[in-house]
Formats: sequence, structure tokens, C-alpha cells
Amino acid sequence: AQSVTQLGSHVSVSEGALVLLRCNYSSSVPPYLFWYVQYPNQGLQLLLKYTSAATLVKGINGFEAEFKKSETSFHLTKPSAHMSDAAEYFCAGSYGQNFVFGPGTRLSVLP
Amino acid sequence: DVKVTQSSRYLVKRTGEKVFLECVQDMDHENMFWYRQDPGLGLRLIYFSYDVKMKEKGDIPEGYSVSREKKERFSLILESASTNQTSMYLCASSSLLAPKVHEQYFGPGTRLTVT
Repeated sequence: AQSVTQLGSHVSVSEGALVLLRCNYSSSVPPYLFWYVQYPNQGLQLLLKYTSAATLVKGINGFEAEFKKSETSFHLTKPSAHMSDAAEYFCAGSYGQNFVFGPGTRLSVLP
Repeated sequence: DVKVTQSSRYLVKRTGEKVFLECVQDMDHENMFWYRQDPGLGLRLIYFSYDVKMKEKGDIPEGYSVSREKKERFSLILESASTNQTSMYLCASSSLLAPKVHEQYFGPGTRLTVT
């Protein structure tokens, strides 16, 4: 079955530190891959999307993600965390009509 | 910008009541989705629709039904609400057209409490 996994349900970083949120997908054929962010009591907002055009994808708010087929990974990074980045982050894959979400990673940013 | 709106942000209903959750999108998207989100379980797909009057079951359709009479509107119906349906409900829509294909756009969510 197709699945998307996220290592770490909760990640804490200090303000100004590197943010790294991990995502792995299961498939021999890379699906469309996405990162979404959810702020408290809000819906999900699209951060970025991989479509095979480029392995390094830049998104909004300074985030980027790198697609690595050999590792079946699509990790999300940001060089310097800001307090406003505290939220829940979801990795997702689109396998044709089937859209699969990872379980989410809650990011805390410490002052 | 794509806008997906949901009829209520917060809703409190009694056990056994019939509940309607409405979702409207303004970008002429073909696909619409209903998810529920629970702590520790992530997002789970209840139903989706790829065209007017068309619907497909998702992973957890039991206890729910849907209606799509117009392209922009997708309703989720709880025929007889139960306490285990207390959750956050999220609506989303997506286009079949490039370059936005497969991108899902979400509404703000409805937090439903069934007492």
C-alpha cells in the first residue's frame, strides 16, 4: 500500500537554528509530493510541491525540500527558524486519485 | 487565490441529530474532498467527489454521506451524529488541470463536538 511516513511526531529547535523535518514515501514510481503547514485551529496551507521538474523545490516562508529518489525521501528544511514557524507540518503524496498524508510533525521553536 | 470556505468554524450538536457541513470553493475545481482530523491519527479521507453528482468512498465513510449538486459545493452529512464523530472536519478542493494538478486547497475547518 502507498504510504507516507514522517520521522518524529514532535521536533523542537531554537530560534535561528536549522529546521529539518523528515518525510519518506513508499513507491517505486515517485508520486507528486507536497508539504503542508497547519497553524492552530486553521486549515492546511500548501508550502511546496515536487513534480519531477527539479529535485530541489523552493516554497513559501523560506522553506525548501529536496527529493532524493535513492532514499525515497522528501525532507523539508529551513536555514533559520523563526518563532512564527511553530506549527504542524504534513508531508503528502499524490498517487493518481489517491492522496496520502503523513501523520504530521509538530514543530516547536524555542526563544 | 483559491478560496475554500466552510459554513461553520465551531459546531455543537446532540447525539442523534442530523448534521450538515457545507463547503464551497470558488476556483471551478473538479475535485472536492472531506477529511476528518484527530490527534494521533492525522488526516483521514471520508469521501471525495470528482464531478457533480459523483462521489467515492474514502477510508472511513461509515456514518457519513455526501452530496454534490453543484460544482462549487460539497456537503458532508452525518445522518445521526454520535460522540465518536467529534472531530475537526476539513474540506479541500483540487484541479485536474496543469500546473496546479493534484494540489489540494483546504478550508479553515469545522470543529464539531457531539454531546
